[in-house]
Amino acid sequence: GQQVMQIPQYQHVQEGEDFTTYCNSSTTLSNIQWYKQRPGGHPVFLIQLVKSGEVKKQKRLTFQFGEAKKNSSLHITATQTTDVGTYFCAPNRGNEKLTFGTGTRLTIIP
Amino acid sequence: DTEVTQTPKHLVMGMTNKKSLKCEQHMGHRAMYWYKQKAKKPPELMFVYSYEKLSINESVPSRFSPECPNSSLLNLHLHALQPEDSALYLCASSQDEFAGEDEQFFGPGTRLTVL
Repeated sequence: GQQVMQIPQYQHVQEGEDFTTYCNSSTTLSNIQWYKQRPGGHPVFLIQLVKSGEVKKQKRLTFQFGEAKKNSSLHITATQTTDVGTYFCAPNRGNEKLTFGTGTRLTIIP
Repeated sequence: DTEVTQTPKHLVMGMTNKKSLKCEQHMGHRAMYWYKQKAKKPPELMFVYSYEKLSINESVPSRFSPECPNSSLLNLHLHALQPEDSALYLCASSQDEFAGEDEQFFGPGTRLTVL
């Protein structure tokens, strides 16, 4: 299947700056999940978005699902060193498979 | 217990060896998965087991052979691997059989090196 692109591929930010990663699909999605993978670690589930235009917040993290259910974003406010890692979207087109996006690797400059 | 365990953590094998990777979960999840992850790439789905039956095989070469002995255990048998098979092998599980609907819990992975 076609891999979903995430942009940017890499992001280096100063600690305290904001960070956003975007996930774009050419087809309508049933839902979308987000995962975080720390360096040397394994993916850990963050959130699932299901409804058109949905916005969910987890402390400094804000997740959005586009009105057309074709794109999604993750925004981190005031990054901390603990935010380091690769953020993957995992869009679902309504079948059984979970396919990961290309990922955005976040590094923090202290 | 919300943990997926995998053994071994690291494995080095020759191209003629036979080895097995093991995965275990005790969350009562009905779906279990094997993923392969190369460095700086996203995880790629290999197999899905749903209610102990193989439901998805993503055209994986036969040198990888999955097995689900019971609802808590998932094995991946390896035989005659190639150096390009070196990767992190991740096991995951989810509550229900429909992968896209449920959160997946990942194990720490087995880092495999094929010489």
